[in-house]
Amino acid sequence: GAGVSQSPSNKVTEKGKDVELRCDPISGHTALYWYRQRLGQGLEFLIYFQGNSAPDKSGLPSDRFSAERTGESVSTLTIQRTQQEDSAVYLCASSSKDRVNEQFFGPGTRLTVL
Amino acid sequence: AQSVTQLGSHVSVSEGALVLLRCNYSSSVPPYLFWYVQYPNQGLQLLLKYTTGATLVKGINGFEAEFKKSETSFHLTKPSAHMSDAAEYFCAVSGTSYGKLTFGQGTILTVHP
Repeated sequence: GAGVSQSPSNKVTEKGKDVELRCDPISGHTALYWYRQRLGQGLEFLIYFQGNSAPDKSGLPSDRFSAERTGESVSTLTIQRTQQEDSAVYLCASSSKDRVNEQFFGPGTRLTVL
Repeated sequence: AQSVTQLGSHVSVSEGALVLLRCNYSSSVPPYLFWYVQYPNQGLQLLLKYTTGATLVKGINGFEAEFKKSETSFHLTKPSAHMSDAAEYFCAVSGTSYGKLTFGQGTILTVHP
């Protein structure tokens, strides 16, 4: 079956522009997570969705970052007024509600802010 | 709160040698522990996990890890390295009911012929 997909795979933008990153989880997975991986660092948790609600947004680094999920499926991570420090690989993962300790990761979106 | 420390950002071994990647964690609740592998230009793949029960956990590709509560460690081992094991390895901990992961900084494993 299809795994977690993310688009675009690469995104280059200019400082100050807004970007949208998309995640398509595995069908039927109600839990969805966004993580960020900056160069030379481990992954940082950003946000967790259960269904369409986000009970844990504690990892979003600033109010320029937001995310939504619709139809218990696709999620979009939006970064407004991008800064150079936002350059990173953004990873999405999903899991079924009763197996949250088995997260399946997408290939990531590499964001470069010039 | 949880945290993970991986000792050694780079580890180099010869093909056929023992692989040992070190991970220590801190958790305010009984932890769930994970090792993920990331091959170049690919997403993360779960190698193995410890949730409850047996403290020696076997994963894919011949890897195993042992949960040692007294040492707050979860080191990853493989008896004999293969060239295909070259990748970046991440240790992670979860202390929530919904699987939020806290990752270590990663260890890049290089395997020499």
